[in-house]
Amino acid sequence: GQNIDQPTEMTATEGAIVQINCTYQTSGFNGLFWYQQHAGEAPTFLSYNVLDGLEEKGRFSSFLSRSKGYSYLLLKELQMKDSASYLCAVQDSWGKLQFGAGTQVVVTP
Amino acid sequence: GAVVSQHPSWVICKSGTSVKIECRSLDFQATTMFWYRQFPKQSLMLMATSNEGSKATYEQGVEKDKFLINHASLTLSTLTVTSAHPEDSSFYICSARTETGDTEQYFGPGTRLTVT
Repeated sequence: GQNIDQPTEMTATEGAIVQINCTYQTSGFNGLFWYQQHAGEAPTFLSYNVLDGLEEKGRFSSFLSRSKGYSYLLLKELQMKDSASYLCAVQDSWGKLQFGAGTQVVVTP
Repeated sequence: GAVVSQHPSWVICKSGTSVKIECRSLDFQATTMFWYRQFPKQSLMLMATSNEGSKATYEQGVEKDKFLINHASLTLSTLTVTSAHPEDSSFYICSARTETGDTEQYFGPGTRLTVT
């Protein structure tokens, strides 16, 4: 099975940087995804890491260390619209996604 | 590209009735579709994996006779919640993977089911 842990909630001010950590233990690994989900909506894709290192995409960056079972999502220059739940998901060898419980990010003025 | 739709977006039904939710890939062919359920303030839980032309594979703890999945074509999968009960009230989301074996899953907008 798989166990995926991420913090429940984080609060930051507009313009700041927030880092959301995700640790995982898996029986098979075929990449790690980060999604953003606003309340009542489906998740939207943010990033995908399958090799170790940092992937940067605009204000969002994601890092993966497979040996440590660790990833983080970095959100820079926070905007109010970034207030949402951020989901870490690990894909197994069969292509199935196992989601973490999600981290609710609250951006304050 | 890679748009997935769901219908209906929300539905209210009475206990004991059945509800069908459709998931369509609009601009690509999806050999594999996934069905998830999400309770309030919780994460997505995979219910089943649906492959075109074959029986769905259900996750442990998901009743296959209650949640009927049909993947009749490369662009359509349906989830039927049979004999619905209030505890089945949830947000049901489907996702689809392209025929090319793309690693990314494309999510539908979700269906809010309320059973009264």
